[in-house]
Amino acid sequence: GNSVTQMEGPVTLSEEAFLTINCTYTATGYPSLFWYVQYPGEGLQLLLKATKADDKGSNKGFEATYRKETTSFHLEKGSVQVSDSAVYFCALSGYSGYALNFGKGTSLLVTP
Amino acid sequence: GAVVSQHPSWVICKSGTSVKIECRSLDFQATTMFWYRQFPKQSLMLMATSNEGSKATYEQGVEKDKFLINHASLTLSTLTVTSAHPEDSSFYICSARDAADGTTIYFGEGSWLTVV
Repeated sequence: GNSVTQMEGPVTLSEEAFLTINCTYTATGYPSLFWYVQYPGEGLQLLLKATKADDKGSNKGFEATYRKETTSFHLEKGSVQVSDSAVYFCALSGYSGYALNFGKGTSLLVTP
Repeated sequence: GAVVSQHPSWVICKSGTSVKIECRSLDFQATTMFWYRQFPKQSLMLMATSNEGSKATYEQGVEKDKFLINHASLTLSTLTVTSAHPEDSSFYICSARDAADGTTIYFGEGSWLTVV
């Protein structure tokens, strides 16, 4: 079945540091890949997505590239801010109509 | 962007009573909606998939008679927790797949349920 594995947190960084959160997946077919962000006490917000191999999703300075050869979708940001502190979930969606499979989430804390 | 609204955001109920949570897609049609449950500091667990006009498909281990799901229109799905118990206390999140763009799923803000 489909599954997503994320690096475990929490991750603590200083403001303006470089961020990488690793995500690898197992899936049949050609899944779509997503990163969602959850701020404390809130629901999930779509951060970015990629629907086919070599696609790069980007939003708010975050980027992730769909790498089929390594089955990865690592999240990166060149310079994090305190406001980026949240939990980040990697997810995949299989065939159209299927629900998302989520990773366990990675908590990020950015300190001034 | 697309918005999914859940109501209520917070609810406290007594053991043995039933609680209904609504999930609405505000500016798009959603033929498919999903209900998740999230325990503190854990990931989201899919409870059921709801298709407009048909019965929901429940994940293994989820009691369909306890968690009633109705998807009566293209913009509304409801989750009713029947005969609630303290162990049902959790964060419930719905999501909706945009019918026009089959690959994007939008999430509601979530609903905190506390059963006392």
